[in-house]
Amino acid sequence: GENVEQHPSTLSVQEGDSAVIKCTYSDSASNYFPWYKQELGKGPQLIIDIRSNVGEKKDQRIAVTLNKTAKHFSLHITETQPEDSAVYFCAATSIGGYQKVTFGTGTKLQVIP
Amino acid sequence: GAGVSQSPSNKVTEKGKDVELRCDPISGHTALYWYRQSLGQGLEFLIYFQGNSAPDKSGLPSDRFSAERTGGSVSTLTIQRTQQEDSAVYLCASSRLVSRGQETQYFGPGTRLLVL
Repeated sequence: GENVEQHPSTLSVQEGDSAVIKCTYSDSASNYFPWYKQELGKGPQLIIDIRSNVGEKKDQRIAVTLNKTAKHFSLHITETQPEDSAVYFCAATSIGGYQKVTFGTGTKLQVIP
Repeated sequence: GAGVSQSPSNKVTEKGKDVELRCDPISGHTALYWYRQSLGQGLEFLIYFQGNSAPDKSGLPSDRFSAERTGGSVSTLTIQRTQQEDSAVYLCASSRLVSRGQETQYFGPGTRLLVL
């Protein structure tokens, strides 16, 4: 089955700096890679996703890149703000009998004002 | 425009008791997932329902765990004879299959279970 690794597990940045979270996956058949943000006491919420036919996608301060050859994808947050502090999860879907999603172990991002 | 809802939001129970956790998916979503998240940990897949297909129960940790989805909508996760290690946040998610292998899951707020 699919295996998703996520690094780093924790990340502290100064407000205004950029943050990068990296994930690798094992199943070359995976073709959809969502990123979720989980704030304290809440369920994860989708913030951006990328499909295998695209190498990069950007939404305001958030961007995701995908390298299918190397089987890794990354989340980039620019001009970080205190409200970006949360746990971020990457995920990948592996085509099988259905679309089971495998999540990374999460990155706790702290933006220091 | 309601999202995924879960109830109760918090549940405290005694070891050995049974608990039922409820999930109301977004209307029209055919897929429903249950996950478990222990404190500071990632998401552990438990079970998946898709339409009328047989559910994927491969993630259930023991036979004390079971889940049902009635009428293709509401789902109930039941934990029998709860143990302290069952304490966690139980998250439900639903999705509308966009295309094979590509879907977006929408999560509920979770049920925080504490077994004393």
